[in-house]
Amino acid sequence: QKEVEQNSGPLSVPEGAIASLNCTYSDRGSQSFFWYRQYSGKSPELIMFIYSNGDKEDGRFTAQLNKASQYVSLLIRDSQPSDSATYLCAVNIQAGGFKTIFGAGTRLFVKA
Amino acid sequence: DVKVTQSSRYLVKRTGEKVFLECVQDMDHENMFWYRQDPGLGLRLIYFSYDVKMKEKGDIPEGYSVSREKKERFSLILESASTNQTSMYLCASNRRANNEQFFGPGTRLTVL
Repeated sequence: QKEVEQNSGPLSVPEGAIASLNCTYSDRGSQSFFWYRQYSGKSPELIMFIYSNGDKEDGRFTAQLNKASQYVSLLIRDSQPSDSATYLCAVNIQAGGFKTIFGAGTRLFVKA
Repeated sequence: DVKVTQSSRYLVKRTGEKVFLECVQDMDHENMFWYRQDPGLGLRLIYFSYDVKMKEKGDIPEGYSVSREKKERFSLILESASTNQTSMYLCASNRRANNEQFFGPGTRLTVL
């Protein structure tokens, strides 16, 4: 079992819809959780991080964390074509120091 | 504006050559990382460093070495390049207390 799992997609949603991206992780000791966006040919950039159970909202983005079920999700409201990218879920675990494990990413297409 | 730079965007080398990839960050970050990114496999950690002259193996260190002589600079060395090292190489950095990672633009290496 991979340590951080994401559906590779592609996930296709119409413009203006809600895009829901999911991620599961295997290490119950995971401490912090990140969502990075990566445009084609570019490097990842952080869009959200979350440390505690529940929801965290930032503009059109909402991160949701459920440690009991070991999943973290990202909701993108009012999706725009510019949101089309690969979204990487990353999880920090305590292993000596902190170690970051990345998922393989979910490709999102927002159709105009 | 925070910045991580990498010495080359594209690099073509021949099998058996020694390859140097350079990464420089201007944020005074303690931690620096080297990843490779391959389709379907996500980001895989090769080596990281949490201080000058310190280095730790990541998940796939075989065939690679690193050097960190100055805080702002972290070099990845392919001792004898092989075709299976053709990949996108990403450098990242962060501060100990803040686990968000900042990525460089990446180096696409092709080994012929």
